[in-house]
Amino acid sequence: SQTIHQWPATLVQPVGSPLSLECTVEGTSNPNLYWYRQAAGRGLQLLFYSVGIGQISSEVPQNLSASRPQDRQFILSSKKLLLSDSGFYLCAWLDRGSVDTQYFGPGTRLTVL
Amino acid sequence: SQKIEQNSEALNIQEGKTATLTCNYTNYSPAYLQWYRQDPGRGPVFLLLIRENEKEKRKERLKVTFDTTLKQSLFHITASQPADSATYLCALVSDAGKSTFGDGTTLTVKP
Repeated sequence: SQTIHQWPATLVQPVGSPLSLECTVEGTSNPNLYWYRQAAGRGLQLLFYSVGIGQISSEVPQNLSASRPQDRQFILSSKKLLLSDSGFYLCAWLDRGSVDTQYFGPGTRLTVL
Repeated sequence: SQKIEQNSEALNIQEGKTATLTCNYTNYSPAYLQWYRQDPGRGPVFLLLIRENEKEKRKERLKVTFDTTLKQSLFHITASQPADSATYLCALVSDAGKSTFGDGTTLTVKP
């Protein structure tokens, strides 16, 4: 069966510090991968998605970047965090052979102080 | 611009009643629509999908309708239970597989 991992689960970072969040998927190959951010009480905002290694599409201009160095690894980064980067970050994957359902990871709660 | 509205931020109902959640959208022609459940501090979990050419889908106590003329989906939970308390998100999915989520409705089922 497929599983999706995210780490860390919780992160507190000072303004101006760098960020690296990692997401890995097991049990599937060549998935579509997604990074979302969720503000408190709000829906999910799509940040990046990837249909393959090295292929990244950005949905929202921002202080963040994403990379996909391996088929089942998706990384969200920032060189300098802003207060507005605080939120709940979710990684998701989708089976490209069946575009019905996205499966979400457990999320990372980021607080920028 | 595309817009998705879920009927209210919070819905409180009594156990055993039917909960009805609404998802309206504008400036969008989705290939299909999904409903997810999200518990506090957790990622969303997929519940149901309905395609543009389908009117209704059922899964156990859940029922989803999709009216592309009204640009609206209704999500029903029959015989609701306190364990159904959660935030429910609707998502519109384009042909390219990109999802746009609503802000969610938080359902509280009181015993």
